[in-house]
Amino acid sequence: DIQLTQSPSFLSASVGDRVTITCRASQGISSYLAWYQQKPGKAPNLLIYAASTLQSGVPSRFSGSASGTEFTLTISSLQPEDFATYYCQKLNSYPQATFGQGTRLEIK
Amino acid sequence: QVQLVESGGGVVQPGRSLRLSCEASGFTFRSYGMHWVRQAPGKGLEWVAAILYDGSKKYYADSVKGRFTISRDNSKNSLYLQVDSLRPEDTAEYYCAKDVQLYSGSYSVGLDNWGQGTLVTVSS
Repeated sequence: DIQLTQSPSFLSASVGDRVTITCRASQGISSYLAWYQQKPGKAPNLLIYAASTLQSGVPSRFSGSASGTEFTLTISSLQPEDFATYYCQKLNSYPQATFGQGTRLEIK
Repeated sequence: QVQLVESGGGVVQPGRSLRLSCEASGFTFRSYGMHWVRQAPGKGLEWVAAILYDGSKKYYADSVKGRFTISRDNSKNSLYLQVDSLRPEDTAEYYCAKDVQLYSGSYSVGLDNWGQGTLVTVSS
C-alpha cells in the first residue's frame, strides 16, 4: 500500500505569515491529491484538487504544488479565518483513498 | 446549488445495523462518483467507501470491508451506506461527498461537495 505522510501535525503562526504544509507519498500518485480545510463542527471544504488546481471560490492565497512524491499546500498570507485543520488525501487508486494525519493550524 | 443531506444516524448497540442515506440535489447525480468518509470524535478523516457513477463498482476501506455496503439509486438521487455488525470503533460522524470530475473511474482528483454529516454512536 502507498503511505501518505503529512507534516507538521501542529503549526503555530501569526496573521500575515506564509505557511506550508507537506504531504509525502511513499510511491508515485501522479496528481491524484487533494487538500481540504476543516473547521470545528463543520464538514471538510475542498481547497485544491489535482495537486495544484484551486477550487472555485477559494481565495488565491491558497496554492498547491507537487514535486515527485512531495505535495505542498501554501497559504501566502494567513488570515484570521484560515486557522483550522488541514488534510491531504490521495485518490489515485481505490480503495486506497486515504487522508493524511492532519495539520492543526493555530494562532501564535 | 449542490446539496447533500445525510440521515439515518443514531445510537445503536454493538452488533446491530443501520442504513445511512444521502439525498443529493443541484447536480446530475448519475454522472458522479460518490463517497462516504467518517470522522471519529476528536480524530482525523477516514475514507470509508466509494461507488462509481453508474454503481458498477464499489470500493471499501479494509476497516469496514465485509460489514459495510455502499449503494446508490440514481432514479432517486440517493446514496446509501448499509452498516452491519457495528463496533464501538465505528462511532463517528459519517459524511457523503461528491467527486469533482464527471464519470471518474477507480480514482479521483478530489471531493468537492460534502454533506453536513450524520452521527453514528455504537454503545451498549
